[in-house]
Amino acid sequence: DSGVTQTPKHLITATGQRVTLRCSPRSGDLSVYWYQQSLDQGLQFLIQYYNGEERAKGNILERFSAQQFPDLHSELNLSSLELGDSALYFCASSPGQYNSPLHFGNGTRLTVT
Amino acid sequence: ILNVEQSPQSLHVQEGDSTNFTCSFPSSNFYALHWYRWETAKSPEALFVMTLNGDEKKKGRISATLNTKEGYSYLYIKGSQPEDSATYLCAFQQNAGGTSYGKLTFGQGTILTVHP
Repeated sequence: DSGVTQTPKHLITATGQRVTLRCSPRSGDLSVYWYQQSLDQGLQFLIQYYNGEERAKGNILERFSAQQFPDLHSELNLSSLELGDSALYFCASSPGQYNSPLHFGNGTRLTVT
Repeated sequence: ILNVEQSPQSLHVQEGDSTNFTCSFPSSNFYALHWYRWETAKSPEALFVMTLNGDEKKKGRISATLNTKEGYSYLYIKGSQPEDSATYLCAFQQNAGGTSYGKLTFGQGTILTVHP
């Protein structure tokens, strides 16, 4: 068990809808990262937060947004969902913001129909 | 777009064999290189974070080396066991300024199957 908790485990929704994925980092970790794994794609970096502030950004779509709250949990909001957004979304956490190893949650499987 | 390549894509070995995989990454603006093991139905688990040219790390039967000047890292598994079966991912971290430090670019992984 990595100590990173992601909810829900599975999510099935229709195109055009909006969903929120939630992540609680490992105790003591200040950084939270979001990654997307689509079919036949490797892990794609979306965004990183450190102690409540955005630190690094990948090719995150404008329809996607994230935030990290004062208690350090994070939420990834996906709106105007398209079929291509179906993927496994991972949250990871680390103590620092630079070269600490990442601890991954078990992921949220999003299916858009 | 950063190119992080892993080879081979997949590997089948017999129990007891030693094996190694390669991760290639850009040789400029290096910051760190990570290795992760990803077992089926689980989440990726960190093996090593390597930051210095010539670095060698070891964890049990698994070890890794790093060459930042030529842009490659090797992961070695000595005496493979069936429980070593997993996808092994490397991830490159670029020194691109304060807005990119946290970003890891992952390779596609090497799928290792160890047959009893």
